Amino acid sequence: GAVVSQHPSRVICKSGTSVKIECRSLDFQATTMFWYRQFPKQSLMLMATSNEGSKATYEQGVEKDKFLINHASLTLSTLTVTSAHPEDSSFYICRCGDRVTEAFFGQGTRLTVV
Amino acid sequence: ELKVEQNPLFLSMQEGKNYTIYCNYSTTSDRLYWYRQDPGKSLESLFVLLSNGAVKQEGRLMASLDTKARLSTLHITAAVHDLSATYFCAVDRNTGTASKLTFGTGTRLQVTL
Repeated sequence: GAVVSQHPSRVICKSGTSVKIECRSLDFQATTMFWYRQFPKQSLMLMATSNEGSKATYEQGVEKDKFLINHASLTLSTLTVTSAHPEDSSFYICRCGDRVTEAFFGQGTRLTVV
Repeated sequence: ELKVEQNPLFLSMQEGKNYTIYCNYSTTSDRLYWYRQDPGKSLESLFVLLSNGAVKQEGRLMASLDTKARLSTLHITAAVHDLSATYFCAVDRNTGTASKLTFGTGTRLQVTL
């Protein structure tokens, strides 16, 4: 099956700093990438959708200036959590898809803001 | 707004027993997915159900879809401890690929020895 690589798997950062999470599709071109957030013992909530070369579309309630998404190429999308605070601590998961196959999830990133 | 509900939220069952997890959704959907998630891990795809009456089986898990009732079920047969995980259903409304998914609340399954 298709492989999606997400890095880092875990990151701890200080409050007020920024963190970048990368999501790469390794063997297909991902025209669309989705970013989800999952708090402990909860379901996945879609944060934003990005299409290569276009601005991301954010879900209601997600701050676009705080969660910067870049999808500059067909194999790479990044999520930058700016000025992170403890309440941003969560599990972030990307999902990549193309026009032919089903979309695939990355391994997830556990962000802890201290 | 599409809503997806699962029940039960938590299920404790003994090895060897059978049980069913239910997934109800509020509006017409083209595809329904079932995923498994182990603690601290991402999602593992189990099934994709594309049409009314679809039934898929893999090992001790069987999923079905009734689009008229807007209901999918995940049936567990003769549970084993290795099936302990959280199971999510997810629904999308687009006919194309790479579309948005709305996830259910999840069912945490604990299989006891």
